[in-house]
Formats: sequence, C-alpha cells, structure tokens
Amino acid sequence: DAKTTQPPSMDCAEGRAANLPCNHSTISGNEYVYWYRQIHSQGPQYIIHGLKNNETNEMASLIITEDRKSSTLILPHATLRDTAVYYCIVSRKTSYDKVIFGPGTSLSVIP
Amino acid sequence: IAGITQAPTSQILAAGRRMTLRCTQDMRHNAMYWYRQDLGLGLRLIHYSNTAGTTGKGEVPDGYSVSRANTDDFPLTLASAVPSQTSVYFCASSDSDAKPGELFFGEGSRLTVL
Repeated sequence: DAKTTQPPSMDCAEGRAANLPCNHSTISGNEYVYWYRQIHSQGPQYIIHGLKNNETNEMASLIITEDRKSSTLILPHATLRDTAVYYCIVSRKTSYDKVIFGPGTSLSVIP
Repeated sequence: IAGITQAPTSQILAAGRRMTLRCTQDMRHNAMYWYRQDLGLGLRLIHYSNTAGTTGKGEVPDGYSVSRANTDDFPLTLASAVPSQTSVYFCASSDSDAKPGELFFGEGSRLTVL
C-alpha cells in the first residue's frame, strides 16, 4: 500500500494561504487521498478527501496532480486556529487495516 | 449527537494490572479502530473491526486485545500493563461503505503505566 511523505513542519502568516504538500508516489489507482488535522491534545478531525479530481469544501481545497503522485491541501485564509498537525493518508476503500497515520506536518500560523 | 465517547479520559495504572479502555459510538458506523499516539511517532493503529463480530490486527497489536460484541462498542484491553504502553489512546469509527477513510475520533484516553 502507498506511503506518504510530508514535511515535518511549516509556517504560514495569518490570513495567507497555507499550502501543505504530500507525496504519495506509489499510490494505486483505487486509493484515495485523505487529509486530517489534529489540534493539540484533541482527536484528529477529517478535512477532505479525493480520488483524482480536485475537491473543495468549507474547510479546505485538495489539489491532486494528474499523475496522482502528490497532492496539496490548501487552507485559503489561515487563522491562528488552523495551527495543528496535518496528516495525509492514502487508503483503499476496504483497507480497514491500512488507515495508517504518519507523523504529519506541524503547521504554525503566525500572527 | 455525541459521536465517539471514550472512558476514562485519563488513568494512572500500576504495571501488571489489567485495564480496559471503553469506546462507544452512536453513529451506527460499521468500522471501528484503536490508535495509540506517542510523541514523535504519530498515530499507530493497534486493532480494528470492520463489522460487529470481527476484529483485525493493526501495526502494533501486541499486548492488546479487542472485542466487538455489537455495533456500538469496541473496548480495548491491556491484560497486563507495562510502562511502554503509556500513551494517549484514540478510538475512531467510520462508515467505510459510504465514506471510506473518513474517520471520526474520540477525544482520547491518556494512560500512564508506572
């Protein structure tokens, strides 16, 4: 199953867009890309997911490259409350045992 | 809607003691999961269940057992706790047929084994 690689940390100025990259070069055709975030000491929170098309919801946008080997989570106007660890996960629909979280990216939104 | 409820929220336990962490969901999700989170290691999957009556092993199952007698409950048991099991434990659930990979997490149970 595909693994993901994310930078360990990033900074973003408040009000600016935060672009969080994720590499998943071994992704299979039936694997989805999911993003979660975890605010300090809380349980992780689902943000968005996609298969091959770009997706947008009220929280964020997900851009998946045409070859599906990487993706970017975009927080369009970062606020201090977006400071969190962001996890990128690749999973097949029935991969109950493969919903594996890596170390993620620690995003700091700076005033 | 409560979502996922975990208990206890924190516990200090002597090594060698038995401990059960409770997890209940009210969303009628078919799949449930237990993760542990340790500093610098992210979330690691301990056990999972894709439906009532079935369970499976995750990345770090040793020293833990689970059961899934019904849809709503998924308790995690440490038969004989050891200090290396000191961690924050998160339970999660998902409707894996309708929304694969979209997990809902509880607020965690912080366990300290002395």
